[in-house]
Amino acid sequence: GQNIDQPTEMTATEGAIVQINCTYQTSGFNGLFWYQQHAGEAPTFLSYNVLDGLEEKGRFSSFLSRSKGYSYLLLKELQMKDSASYLCAVRRNQGGKLIFGQGTELSVKP
Amino acid sequence: GAVVSQHPSWVICKSGTSVKIECRSLDFQATTMFWYRQFPKQSLMLMATSNEGSKATYEQGVEKDKFLINHASLTLSTLTVTSAHPEDSSFYICSARLAPGGELFFGEGSRLTVL
Repeated sequence: GQNIDQPTEMTATEGAIVQINCTYQTSGFNGLFWYQQHAGEAPTFLSYNVLDGLEEKGRFSSFLSRSKGYSYLLLKELQMKDSASYLCAVRRNQGGKLIFGQGTELSVKP
Repeated sequence: GAVVSQHPSWVICKSGTSVKIECRSLDFQATTMFWYRQFPKQSLMLMATSNEGSKATYEQGVEKDKFLINHASLTLSTLTVTSAHPEDSSFYICSARLAPGGELFFGEGSRLTVL
């Protein structure tokens, strides 16, 4: 089986930096994904890590430690439009299925 | 990026009827598509893996006779919710990937309301 944990909700201030953590336990790990989802919409891809380390993509960065079963998504220079749910997802070798965590609802305040 | 389209976006139906949702990969061929269900304030729950030309693989707890999946071509997978009940009301989202191990692209989602 698999277990993916993220905080349920977070609040941050516009212009600040926020880190959303994700821990996972799974067999056959084959990559970790971060998606952004606005209410009523489908998820959109943010980042992907399969090796340990930091992946940077503009205002968004994602980090992975496979030995610790840990990842985080870092959002810099927060904007109001960043208010959304952020989903951590683990891909398994078997069938390439993507299993999602419960999501972290981020609220960005002025 | 690749485009995945779902139809309909919204559907309201009476209890006991069946509803079909289509998922199309518009600019690529997808041998595998995935169907997810999302209840309000919850994450995406994988329902099944749809394989072109073969039977779908269902996740534990998902009734295959209630959620019929057909993947008849490399660009189209359909999910039919049979004899729908109010508890089936949910946001259904499909996804497809260009190649094994590749990024998943999501459709816009289909919101089903069963009265």
